[in-house]
Amino acid sequence: DAKTTQPTSMDCAEGRAANLPCNHSTISGNEYVYWYRQIHSQGPQYIIHGLKNNETNEMASLIITEDRKSSTLILPHATLRDTAVYYCIVRGNYGQNFVFGPGTRLSVLP
Amino acid sequence: EAGVAQSPRYKIIEKRQSVAFWCNPISGHATLYWYQQILGQGPKLLIQFQNNGVVDDSQLPKDRFSAERLKGVDSTLKIQPAKLEDSAVYLCASSPKTGPYEQYFGPGTRLTVT
Repeated sequence: DAKTTQPTSMDCAEGRAANLPCNHSTISGNEYVYWYRQIHSQGPQYIIHGLKNNETNEMASLIITEDRKSSTLILPHATLRDTAVYYCIVRGNYGQNFVFGPGTRLSVLP
Repeated sequence: EAGVAQSPRYKIIEKRQSVAFWCNPISGHATLYWYQQILGQGPKLLIQFQNNGVVDDSQLPKDRFSAERLKGVDSTLKIQPAKLEDSAVYLCASSPKTGPYEQYFGPGTRLTVT
């Protein structure tokens, strides 16, 4: 079973920031938080991952709470092409595989 | 850099027939994964290879599914015989090696069993 809880769906206006929450209250000290997204009819696409510090790349920012029990993926300026299912996954360093839950369906509206 | 390639993209078969899917990972990636994604659900891992050896096949229905990775590069996943509940998208992914590395996914093969 997935170790994370995400809202089923969210809407965001085009050009605004999209903030996608994820709860992972049972995360252990050596487990990372990964985010992937899946655009319709495509394979999942890696976005970002982090351990305990906030991370930023060209696609998004990842904010992890100090107790590491939840995180937020931020798409700073959402576009229509960001409409997708977003998966939050908790995974250890070695030996563990990605366990995908149902994710959050983000709809970016014009 | 070329991505993960899969073929065919679509396949329709009748139940009890057999089918095979092919995957070519990103060049140099040692680890290869096959996932099954049923409509409305997240992908579920079927099997993981490290080079040409199986690391994890605990969720592979071995009575009907088989997979191989010859020479540690390309891989094939076979279903024989297919059942209606095998209708799904079959995704292949690769990563440089086992560990805290992101996985790169192919476009998938959509299988419909009638």
